Amino acid sequence: GDSVTQKQGQVTLSEDDFLFINCTYSTTTYPTLFWYVQYPGQGPQLLLKVTTANNKGISRGFEATYDKGTTSFHLQKASVQESDSAVYFCALETGGYKVVFGSGTRLLVSP
Amino acid sequence: EAAVTQSPRNKVTVTGGNVTLSCRQTNSHNYMYWYRQDTGHGLRLIHYSYGAGNLQIGDVPDGYKATRTTQEDFFLLLELASPSQTSLYFCASSETSNQDTQYFGPGTRLLVL
Repeated sequence: GDSVTQKQGQVTLSEDDFLFINCTYSTTTYPTLFWYVQYPGQGPQLLLKVTTANNKGISRGFEATYDKGTTSFHLQKASVQESDSAVYFCALETGGYKVVFGSGTRLLVSP
Repeated sequence: EAAVTQSPRNKVTVTGGNVTLSCRQTNSHNYMYWYRQDTGHGLRLIHYSYGAGNLQIGDVPDGYKATRTTQEDFFLLLELASPSQTSLYFCASSETSNQDTQYFGPGTRLLVL
């Protein structure tokens, strides 16, 4: 079945550091890929979305590129801020009724 | 902006207890979902629905029932709660199922003693 893998349980950075969160996926179709962000005490909210029609998504300084060759959808940001501290979920949707989420990566940014 | 609300926000019950979690969305979305969030597992789908009266089984349905009474309201029922159901529960809605953003509620934290 469809699956999403986030190997990093936690990433700890300082402000202005470069962020890279790894995400790989497995599916037999061409999925829509999402990054959701969850701030403390809140539900997840969409950060960015990429379909097969547009390989790259950019939002609030974050970007992710849909790489069909390596089945990856890594999240990057050039310079993180303390306010970016949150849990980040990679997810995929394959045209069915549901979205499959990864296990999440907690980002801690110190000032 | 889609609005999804959940109640209660926190709930404590005992093993064997009966619990109902409520979710309401006010944007006339067709699809609604119940997830549980546990450390190391991310978000796992329990049940979902594509309209009033409809119910579909998700990936971890055992021990849970759900009912969609109206376009707006989706309930999750734990009729014999067990400690393994201690978790953070999220409701979400989306307009369609295809490539569409899901909008999440604030969550309900459930503790089963």
